[in-house]
Amino acid sequence: QSALTQPRSVSGSPGQSVTISCTGTSSDVGGYNYVSWYQHHPGKAPKLMIYGVFNRPSGVPERFSGSKSGNTASLTISGLQAEDEAEYYCCSYAGTCWVFGGGTKLTVL
Amino acid sequence: EVQLVESGGGLVQPGGSLRLSCSASGFTFTNYALHWVRQAPGKGLEYVSTINDNGNTINYADSVKGRFTISRDDSKNTLYLQMSSLRTEDTAVYFCVKDLRGNYALDFWGQGTLVTVSS
Repeated sequence: QSALTQPRSVSGSPGQSVTISCTGTSSDVGGYNYVSWYQHHPGKAPKLMIYGVFNRPSGVPERFSGSKSGNTASLTISGLQAEDEAEYYCCSYAGTCWVFGGGTKLTVL
Repeated sequence: EVQLVESGGGLVQPGGSLRLSCSASGFTFTNYALHWVRQAPGKGLEYVSTINDNGNTINYADSVKGRFTISRDDSKNTLYLQMSSLRTEDTAVYFCVKDLRGNYALDFWGQGTLVTVSS
């Protein structure tokens, strides 16, 4: 149950696009199409942004998109807005449990 | 409106026990698996445990297996986490999370309750 690998931080200016990667193994990311992404503002409850690799829950802006290739999943946020600044976590189902990434701090410059 | 309200956190000595509760409302409790996820101070999210909708399938992270017990009381719409043999590394905010049925994702999170293990 090793954590998925995410970059510690990414940044972008308003209006730009950023991509956050999430690398696992064939036992988690590569083995299942059950990758999800969560947005976490400090002191608040995490929020589901993407599930099933690329699906957006109702209410999540189309600016947020997900993809996967092999053992690496990605979250892309286009048209960055100030309120997107937060910690982002990927998560994958791994057969009998879930495994999270270490988190990526997104800074909107 | 879905609501998940955790309670039961607090300060406990190493080796001690604590029971967390999560009161749920706004959805049909018996239709959903539920999870516990934690976040240690300054660290990322960590999966803890899952109980399925009818309570007959339970999973634990290796880090808590044998020490934590997840359960649910469908008559009270409440999820529990019994924690024993607590260690300092169990110090964290514990979140109760509703499952996104059929999609292996965690779709609604409570605000969390803080557990501090310290002498």
